[in-house]
Parts: sequence; C-alpha cells; structure tokens
Amino acid sequence: EAGVAQSPRYKIIEKRQSVAFWCNPISGHATLYWYQQILGQGPKLLIQFQNNGVVDDSQLPKDRFSAERLKGVDSTLKIQPAKLEDSAVYLCASSPAGQGLSYEQYFGPGTRLTVT
Amino acid sequence: EDKVVQSPLSLVVHEGDTVTLNCSYEVTNFRSLLWYKQEKKAPTFLFMLTSSGIEKKSGRLSSILDKKELFSILNITATQTGDSAIYLCAVMNYGGSQGNLIFGKGTKLSVKP
Repeated sequence: EAGVAQSPRYKIIEKRQSVAFWCNPISGHATLYWYQQILGQGPKLLIQFQNNGVVDDSQLPKDRFSAERLKGVDSTLKIQPAKLEDSAVYLCASSPAGQGLSYEQYFGPGTRLTVT
Repeated sequence: EDKVVQSPLSLVVHEGDTVTLNCSYEVTNFRSLLWYKQEKKAPTFLFMLTSSGIEKKSGRLSSILDKKELFSILNITATQTGDSAIYLCAVMNYGGSQGNLIFGKGTKLSVKP
C-alpha cells in the first residue's frame, strides 16, 4: 500500500515570497491533515479536511496561509507571503473515515521549508 | 488550554538499557492517546491507547494509559541503536470530525553502542 506522498521535500525561499506544498493521501482515506512542525516542537495542526470540506482550520493563519482539497483527494497548502517564522517542516497526514471511531493518522515525509 | 507534556525532553542510554518515556496531558474531550516514533521526518505510528490499564505491546515496546492520573508511559526494553529517535506523544480529542491530535514536544532518545 502506497503511503502519503508529499512534494517538494525541501524548499528554500526568501521572505515575502510565495510557496506551495502538495500532498496525496493514502488511497481511500477521507480525512486529510496539514501540520506545521517547528524545530524542537511537536507537530501543530493547521487544517483538517473531511473529503473536500474543511472541518477545522482554527489554527491556520488565514492572512497568509491557505489550503484546498478540491476533488477530495490531493491537497495543496500555500503560504503567501512567507515570513522567517514559517521555517518548519510541513507534514501531511491522512486517516480513514469513520464517525465515532478513532483511527491513527499516517504521515507523509514532510516538506522542509527554509525562509531566509 | 489543551496541553501534552513529555518528559524527559532528551535521554542518552547505552544499548541493552531499559527506558521509560512519560507523557502527561490536560485535554478536554479526551478520545485516545497515541505514540509515534520520528526518525527522519515522518512520524510513524506505534500505539493507540483508549482504555486505562490495558498494556499494548509490540516486540520490545510497550505502553499503558492511566486516564485517572492523565498520563501514559512508553517502555523500551533491551534498547538498540536503531531505537534512537524522537518519540512523540499525542492526544486525540473530539475536535473536527475525526478528532484532532495535540502533540507534545517529544523525547529525543539516543542509544549509544
């Protein structure tokens, strides 16, 4: 079974530039998550999708971050404009659907973003 | 505010030692507690704990949850250099439709030969 795919693996940009990350979840997983992991910290949830709908984006800095999952499969996360403090690893995760049940989340390899 | 606290933050042991990693939490609408191992980038799933007092075991790793005292431990026996990694504890609440994971900062384990 193929895992969660992400690209690019690394990205270096200057502050105030824009950047986009792509994620392809495990086939059949309805729920998709984007996390930000700053060095020395645990991952922090940015946004959760159920199919193509947003169910939680309370921690997404909406003035500069946006995400979409138009067809309920792949997702993109965009930062525009980037700030130095956005330097982090951006992790995508997916899990099966199932109301009332707990499922583990499967993580992709992440994208390491460096903002200079 | 929901929080997950792991201790110690880092630990250095020698091969063959047994280690215990701690995770305490204060989370509203607790659903389950998960342990992940993070070696390079992607955290890989180890255990999900939902009920108190039931030990989950996988090889040399085991974990247990105490929902009364709000903590969990992860034990690794006969450690090997391949166990060197960051171990993340996360608590799933009832946020969103599938629950949200709130992560601790992790425990960095280094196993010396």
